[in-house]
Amino acid sequence: DQQVKQNSPSLSVQEGRISILNCDYTNSMFDYFLWYKKYPAEGPTFLISISSIKDKNEDGRFTVFLNKSAKHLSLHIVPSQPGDSAVYFCAASGGADGLTFGKGTHLIIQP
Amino acid sequence: DTEVTQTPKHLVMGMTNKKSLKCEQHMGHRAMYWYKQKAKKPPELMFVYSYEKLSINESVPSRFSPECPNSSLLNLHLHALQPEDSALYLCASSQDPSYNEQFFGPGTRLTVL
Repeated sequence: DQQVKQNSPSLSVQEGRISILNCDYTNSMFDYFLWYKKYPAEGPTFLISISSIKDKNEDGRFTVFLNKSAKHLSLHIVPSQPGDSAVYFCAASGGADGLTFGKGTHLIIQP
Repeated sequence: DTEVTQTPKHLVMGMTNKKSLKCEQHMGHRAMYWYKQKAKKPPELMFVYSYEKLSINESVPSRFSPECPNSSLLNLHLHALQPEDSALYLCASSQDPSYNEQFFGPGTRLTVL
């Protein structure tokens, strides 16, 4: 049973517009959430994170929103740039036991 | 130095071979991890080392044998692998086991013939 779900395998967004990537989780023990960006043949690169005590965290063009009651988080990228084209993984942690990843969303930024 | 390095980048091995994957970090991190990623799937946790001691083994077959010689190094010894073990093997580290941000290496692409 998938504990972290990214239901959109791919997303296409025009350059300059907002990209919104969604993630849902089922395990209420998760208390920390992360987004990773991954290019082909490379390891995931940490992007941004949020603790369950917050509902928003912002870092430059990237903002993560957390809705605990809905067990839902989203990553907003604005404005989207061509270099943002990659696979984005949502990950969750419930303690000192590694990360549980979603299946990823392939973001394609179109010129 | 804010990198996690992994060697080799690519490895092709037969089912009777013995090989090792290596991972190194010099960030002073005290937790290190091995993940396995199959094509079009998310990374899956295999092992967690906490202060050089194995703290989590996610029911990984014994043909995979991790080793942490010191706080900067993590090895994964491979023996009698199966073709279905072909995958990208990712190493990661974090400041300590309770610190959530993990930094990943580039991975080793393993092919078992």
